[in-house]
Amino acid sequence: GDSVTQMEGPVTLSEEAFLTINCTYTATGYPSLFWYVQYPGEGLQLLLKATKADDKGSNKGFEATYRKETTSFHLEKGSVQVSDSAVYFCALSPRTDSWGKLQFGAGTQVVVTP
Amino acid sequence: NAGVTQTPKFRVLKTGQSMTLLCAQDMNHEYMYWYRQDPGMGLRLIHYSVGEGTTAKGEVPDGYNVSRLKKQNFLLGLESAAPSQTSVYFCASIEQVGGGGRLQQYFGPGTRLTVL
Repeated sequence: GDSVTQMEGPVTLSEEAFLTINCTYTATGYPSLFWYVQYPGEGLQLLLKATKADDKGSNKGFEATYRKETTSFHLEKGSVQVSDSAVYFCALSPRTDSWGKLQFGAGTQVVVTP
Repeated sequence: NAGVTQTPKFRVLKTGQSMTLLCAQDMNHEYMYWYRQDPGMGLRLIHYSVGEGTTAKGEVPDGYNVSRLKKQNFLLGLESAAPSQTSVYFCASIEQVGGGGRLQQYFGPGTRLTVL
């Protein structure tokens, strides 16, 4: 079945450091890929998405490129802030009729220190 | 426009007790979902609904029941709570499925449930 694997956390960084969170997937066909962010005590919010190979999603300084050849969707940010401390989830939605269901990775906690 | 809301925010139950979690959305969305979030496991789908009066099982449905009597509400019930159901529960919705899965899900703030 479809699955998403992302790097374990916590990832601890200093402010202005470069962030990479690895995400790889297994799926039939061409799924849509998402990154969601969860701030402490809140629900998940969509951070960015990509719906076909080589698409780049971007938002709030974060970027991720849909790489079909490596089945990856790594999240990057060039200079993190303390406010980026959160849990980040990689997710996929199969292209075929799946009733909108999402398959999530386990989540990666990011802690940014001043 | 409140988006997706969940009631209650916190609850502590004793083993064997029952309760219902309420999810409400004011966006006129057709599809609604219940997930549970456990440490190190991400979110797992419990049940979902593709429209008023319909429900379907997700990845981890055992021990839960759901109902969608009104389009805007999706109820999650625990008939006899167990400690293994201690978790954070999230509700989500989508307007419709289509567009090659491009549509994002809108999440509620979560319900933290502890079963003693």
